[in-house]
Amino acid sequence: DAGITQSPRHKVTETGTPVTLRCHQTENHRYMYWYRQDPGHGLRLIHYSYGVKDTDKGEVSDGYSVSRSKTEDFLLTLESATSSQTSVYFCAISGADMVMNTEAFFGQGTRLTVV
Amino acid sequence: AQSVAQPEDQVNVAEGNPLTVKCTYSVSGNPYLFWYVQYPNRGLQFLLKYITGDNLVKGSYGFEAEFNKSQTSFHLKKPSALVSDSALYFCAVRGYNNNDMRFGAGTRLTVKP
Repeated sequence: DAGITQSPRHKVTETGTPVTLRCHQTENHRYMYWYRQDPGHGLRLIHYSYGVKDTDKGEVSDGYSVSRSKTEDFLLTLESATSSQTSVYFCAISGADMVMNTEAFFGQGTRLTVV
Repeated sequence: AQSVAQPEDQVNVAEGNPLTVKCTYSVSGNPYLFWYVQYPNRGLQFLLKYITGDNLVKGSYGFEAEFNKSQTSFHLKKPSALVSDSALYFCAVRGYNNNDMRFGAGTRLTVKP
């Protein structure tokens, strides 16, 4: 398995509280992604990063922010958690080589419940 | 932005029969196309990809996929299904010079003995 670690793996939080999820990689890959997985919606891209301090929005970015201060770490923050953000969150990484390293490798996921 | 459609929520096949899981895509320029599989309570595992070259690509566990540019499709196939192939399958697309990767809603494949 690719060296991707997500933490925490499970979290229950209250509505209105801030939450930060961490993704750590040991592969030195350029691209990092945060997705959420919900039944009937598949995986939807929240934010992604194409380098240190370089990030961009995905298709469901409202209510989320990200930061990447080091190549190996990509943080996802829910500024004020809502019940609609209850989901399973996946981090993924991929390389910069557009032929050899185009596929993404996924972490094990973080199950977040907002009550 | 690019997008992927998986028209079937569920595909059921009998063990030993061929299987097809459908995927169509929309992207500007040449696509990079992928299939992933997800087993219960696990992350996604990469199966195969199309970047360029032969339209028929082969991947892990006997799966293959056929790229059809005119139909903007990338269907996943396997000649003989196994019960252990039962899982959730996702198609994904990434555009050349595009940084993000978009996924379909997934197709649940059930292979019955």
